[in-house]
Amino acid sequence: QSALTQPASVSGSPGQSITISCTGTSSDVGSYNLVSWYQQHPGKAPKLMIYEDKKRPSGVSNRFSGSKSGNTASLTISGLQAEDEADYYCCSYASSSTWVFGGGTKLTVL
Amino acid sequence: QVQLVESGGGVVQPGRSLRLSCAVSGFTFRTYAMHWVRQAPGKGLEWVALISNDGNYKYYVDSVKGRFTISRDNSKNTLFLQMNSLRAEDTAVYYCATTLVTPNFDYWGQGTLVTVSS
Repeated sequence: QSALTQPASVSGSPGQSITISCTGTSSDVGSYNLVSWYQQHPGKAPKLMIYEDKKRPSGVSNRFSGSKSGNTASLTISGLQAEDEADYYCCSYASSSTWVFGGGTKLTVL
Repeated sequence: QVQLVESGGGVVQPGRSLRLSCAVSGFTFRTYAMHWVRQAPGKGLEWVALISNDGNYKYYVDSVKGRFTISRDNSKNTLFLQMNSLRAEDTAVYYCATTLVTPNFDYWGQGTLVTVSS
């Protein structure tokens, strides 16, 4: 049950695109199509942005997209906006009905 | 609308116990598995526990096995987390969450803060 690996921080200017990586193992990220991504603003509960590796819940902007290759998943945000500034967490099913999160990435919109 | 409301947090001494509750509304509680997820101050999210819709299956992160017990009362639409032998490292905001529409955590409560300190 080791945490998934994310960069501590990323930044981008308004209108640009950024990508956040999430690296796991063949026992979690690489084995199941169950990677999800969460956005969390300070003092707020997390919000689901991507599920099942690349699907968007209803109401989430199509500027958010997910992908996966092997043991690494990625979240891409295009057309960066000021309100995208937040912490982002990846999460994966990890077998035996357990789940594991990444350490989180702080996104700064310059 | 779907609501998950946690309660029961507070300040507790190391080694003592605390029980958290999560009252839900807006969906058929007995149909869905439920989770607890925690977040230490300034730190990332950590999945803590899962309980099946009927309460018969329970799973935990290694760090709380033997100390925490997840349970539910489907007649009262309420989820619980009994936390025993609390440690300083259990200090966190505890969220209840579920998977109503997707296989991932799509609905969350607002969280309740547990502080373990002497």
